[in-house]
Amino acid sequence: GQNIDQPTEMTATEGAIVQINCTYQTSGFNGLFWYQQHAGEAPTFLSYNVLDGLEEKGRFSSFLSRSKGYSYLLLKELQMKDSASYLCAPLSGGYNKLIFGAGTRLAVHP
Amino acid sequence: DGGITQSPKYLFRKEGQNVTLSCEQNLNHDAMYWYRQDPGQGLRLIYYSQIVNDFQKGDIAEGYSVSREKKESFPLTVTSAQKNPTAFYLCASSGGSGTENTYEQYFGPGTRLTVT
Repeated sequence: GQNIDQPTEMTATEGAIVQINCTYQTSGFNGLFWYQQHAGEAPTFLSYNVLDGLEEKGRFSSFLSRSKGYSYLLLKELQMKDSASYLCAPLSGGYNKLIFGAGTRLAVHP
Repeated sequence: DGGITQSPKYLFRKEGQNVTLSCEQNLNHDAMYWYRQDPGQGLRLIYYSQIVNDFQKGDIAEGYSVSREKKESFPLTVTSAQKNPTAFYLCASSGGSGTENTYEQYFGPGTRLTVT
């Protein structure tokens, strides 16, 4: 079967660091995406990991461990505008479909 | 500017009526997708198309239909057979020559459909 687990909600303080974890089980695996989605808007691309390890892109970093079925998104120097949902989406091997988790709602407080 | 357009942003219909949601892209992407999003839930795949004149059912295709007669367009019809049609509908596209990541999906702004 296919299953994605990520925390439903998280809160953090402006300027801090937060790590959003995701565990997954999919039929085949061709990499993992992280998307950001503000309320009522379309998801926007943050990162794509296909190999194990850490990918850094400015304030955002994403880590992947294929053997553990585990990824995390690390957000540094949090800003109020980072308040959004963060969607973990493994790329399923069969037809290269993205399988979306329910998302983690992050609230950043002053 | 290249992108994906969905119109309208808000749509209201009476129960029992079919309604068609539009999705157009000028990114020259081969693949297009329709998702449904309900409060507190992730995106669920309704239909997807990897090439013109071909499409496959996703995880929740019942009560929906699509067509892909042109590369740029992938309209979704929500039929009266769909039991709970009120939702936020998102269209996406991916792939095509020149794209940095062939699997990255680009999303349209979404259509919020309310059926009463």
